[in-house]
Amino acid sequence: EPEVTQTPSHQVTQMGQEVILRCVPISNHLYFYWYRQILGQKVEFLVSFYNNEISEKSEIFDDQFSVERPDGSNFTLKIRSTKLEDSAMYFCASNLGGGQFFGPGTRLTVL
Amino acid sequence: DQQVKQNSPSLSVQEGRISILNCDYTNSMFDYFLWYKKYPAEGPTFLISISSIKDKNEDGRFTVFLNKSAKHLSLHIVPSQPGDSAVYFCAAVPSGSARQLTFGSGTQLTVLP
Repeated sequence: EPEVTQTPSHQVTQMGQEVILRCVPISNHLYFYWYRQILGQKVEFLVSFYNNEISEKSEIFDDQFSVERPDGSNFTLKIRSTKLEDSAMYFCASNLGGGQFFGPGTRLTVL
Repeated sequence: DQQVKQNSPSLSVQEGRISILNCDYTNSMFDYFLWYKKYPAEGPTFLISISSIKDKNEDGRFTVFLNKSAKHLSLHIVPSQPGDSAVYFCAAVPSGSARQLTFGSGTQLTVLP
């Protein structure tokens, strides 16, 4: 069964460093998303991506964040200068319409 | 701004009985609703969805009910199994959006053998 994959599973970084979180969505899906879940809080929408451009983004997704689909399979989230409060689980999701399918997540720890 | 609320943080049910998970929403623009299950250290797993033009959708042991006038939906699991023990999130999508999900805070379901 096709699934969304994410790498790495855990990323530890120093405050102020850049990180890139990687996702491989399900191959025939057209819509791509990033969400995050801070420990003990809700899963929050960050950004959606369709047709090689951002469709929608939340208030969380400020200038420190960017997304890219560099080739036909990968979908990346970059945080330019990480802050302590960026520590969270980051989930990638994709769909054709209907239910979104989530990856296993990347745990980002900012020290 | 809690547009999607799950007021019960936890629920315990005996194996074989029905589990009923509840969710309320405030945004009348939501027109599509989903339920996800999540195990620790894993991503949410899509279970079942319902469009606002329906009031019930069934898939195997899972049934979702939508009451638009009350802005309430529920997930029924019958019969409940120990493997169903997980956190269950409801999520909603507003019409006309790029299908971003707004999640509730989740309910921890424990099915006791």
